[in-house]
Amino acid sequence: GQNIDQPTEMTATEGAIVQINCTYQTSGFNGLFWYQQHAGEAPTFLSYNVLDGLEEKGRFSSFLSRSKGYSYLLLKELQMKDSASYLCAVRGTDKLIFGTGTRLQVFP
Amino acid sequence: EAGVVQSPRYKIIEKKQPVAFWCNPISGHNTLYWYLQNLGQGPELLIRYENEEAVDDSQLPKDRFSAERLKGVDSTLKIQPAELGDSAVYLCASSSILAGASTQYFGPGTRLTVL
Repeated sequence: GQNIDQPTEMTATEGAIVQINCTYQTSGFNGLFWYQQHAGEAPTFLSYNVLDGLEEKGRFSSFLSRSKGYSYLLLKELQMKDSASYLCAVRGTDKLIFGTGTRLQVFP
Repeated sequence: EAGVVQSPRYKIIEKKQPVAFWCNPISGHNTLYWYLQNLGQGPELLIRYENEEAVDDSQLPKDRFSAERLKGVDSTLKIQPAELGDSAVYLCASSSILAGASTQYFGPGTRLTVL
């Protein structure tokens, strides 16, 4: 079967660093995406990993280990506006499968 | 560049009524997706179009849901008749095979409430 696991909720303090983990088991692997989704809004693309290693983009970084079926999204210098759900999605053989999302709350 | 456009943003109907959602993808994107998202869940694929052709509709409840993408651009998703359990957000996304990772870009969604 296909399964993507990520924590349901996380909290962090403004200015801190937070790591959101994602583990997956899918039929085939053709890349892993992270999306940010604010309440009532569309998911917006954050990052894409297809090879092992770290991809850095400003305050956000994403890591992938294909052998472990594992990824994480690292958010640095947290801001209040980072309070949102973060969706891990894996492209399997023919479609994109989404996790249930991790709701991050950033407190002042 | 304009993003994915969806309308209406909100729709409230009574059960057994029909409803339709419209999507205009990003210009030049040949692949269009319709997703359903329940509260607290990730999006679930309903149907995927490559140009005018529906290449994956395995998750579309065909007894009440239908979709079309005439001319390979705009798309319409219809539910007839709607049931209480259809209350959700319906998201449209598009992607281009020319854009490397074929990243999907989402529209704002239509929030459907069935009473």
